[in-house]
Amino acid sequence: DVKVTQSSRYLVKRTGEKVFLECVQDMDHENMFWYRQDPGLGLRLIYFSYDVKMKEKGDIPEGYSVSREKKERFSLILESASTNQTSMYLCASSSSGAYGYTFGSGTRLTVV
Amino acid sequence: KQEVTQIPAALSVPEGENLVLNCSFTDSAIYNLQWFRQDPGKGLTSLLLIQSSQREQTSGRLNASLDKSSGRSTLYIAASQPGDSATYLCAVAHSGYSTLTFGKGTMLLVSP
Repeated sequence: DVKVTQSSRYLVKRTGEKVFLECVQDMDHENMFWYRQDPGLGLRLIYFSYDVKMKEKGDIPEGYSVSREKKERFSLILESASTNQTSMYLCASSSSGAYGYTFGSGTRLTVV
Repeated sequence: KQEVTQIPAALSVPEGENLVLNCSFTDSAIYNLQWFRQDPGKGLTSLLLIQSSQREQTSGRLNASLDKSSGRSTLYIAASQPGDSATYLCAVAHSGYSTLTFGKGTMLLVSP
């Protein structure tokens, strides 16, 4: 089975800190995605990548950046964390979408 | 812009009942539709993937149907159990390289 691993289940960071959320997949998928999930708002796409060193903005990219230096790893970066970035962050990967998406277990980030 | 709606937002049933969760989408030109399950505080687990050329998919007590022309999908759960309690999300993709558009989910509670 495809596995998507998010490095942290829970994180607490201070306002203004630079935060790195890491995601690794083990099935050579081309596509990787970062979503955030908030009550009442559902899942919203932050950034995605179709290949190494490629990135595309999703619906809510402001305040975030990403890095994909290797095919298996997709990092989400909060340049200067703010309290409104407190959320559940979900990483996913897919192989051209034909076989659907696989999600990681999520990172619950709290910014204080 | 694609919009995905799930009705009802919440559902409470006694153990043993058969139930149907509904998902509708506004743009029928989809590539596939995926149903996910999410337990509280966890990531998304894929349940069923229906390609646009298919009418239904089955896995154990779960059956998902797709009517592309009317923009609808249903997830049927037979003989519900307390372990089925979770939030169920549907999501659609427009191509093998497109991102997913999610509904906001149906929160299911199955009481013993």
